[in-house]
Amino acid sequence: DQQVKQNSPSLSVQEGRISILNCDYTNSMFDYFLWYKKYPAEGPTFLISISSIKDKNEDGRFTVFLNKSAKHLSLHIVPSQPGDSAVYFCAAIRYGQNFVFGPGTRLSVLP
Amino acid sequence: DSGVTQTPKHLITATGQRVTLRCSPRSGDLSVYWYQQSLDQGLQFLIQYYNGEERAKGNILERFSAQQFPDLHSELNLSSLELGDSALYFCASSVASGPLYNEQFFGPGTRLTVL
Repeated sequence: DQQVKQNSPSLSVQEGRISILNCDYTNSMFDYFLWYKKYPAEGPTFLISISSIKDKNEDGRFTVFLNKSAKHLSLHIVPSQPGDSAVYFCAAIRYGQNFVFGPGTRLSVLP
Repeated sequence: DSGVTQTPKHLITATGQRVTLRCSPRSGDLSVYWYQQSLDQGLQFLIQYYNGEERAKGNILERFSAQQFPDLHSELNLSSLELGDSALYFCASSVASGPLYNEQFFGPGTRLTVL
């Protein structure tokens, strides 16, 4: 049973436009969420996170939105750049327990 | 470069065999986590060690075992290998003892292919 879902395996966006990556979760006990980015032949790297007591967190071009009632979060990248092309993993955590990762979404930013 | 190293990068072996994957955490990190990523799947947490002791267990098969040594490097042992064990195996490290909300730093992974 997948507790963290990323229903879009891939996404293509034009350079300069907005990229929106979505993530849904089933466990209402999750209280912290993270996004990781992964380039080929490298391990995932931390991108941005959000606590369940917030509904938005922004870091430069990256913004994460959390809708607890819908059990949904999204990552917005504005403007998208070719260097953003990577696989993005959504992860959720419940205090004291370990990360649960989604299957990832492959983002391609076209020049 | 996250500072976490994993060897080997690639490993090809046959069913029924045993392999050992190695991980060196970032300098100063006491926790090591092992994850498995199968095709089109997210990272599945396997096991965590903190300062030499097992701290948490996830979906780790009985055929798999791990340990963390006094110098804090860790090894993941996979035995009686099956075709389904083919995957990317990632190691991550963090400073603290528990996952809590700590950022984990990932190594580049070891790709295991079982033929």
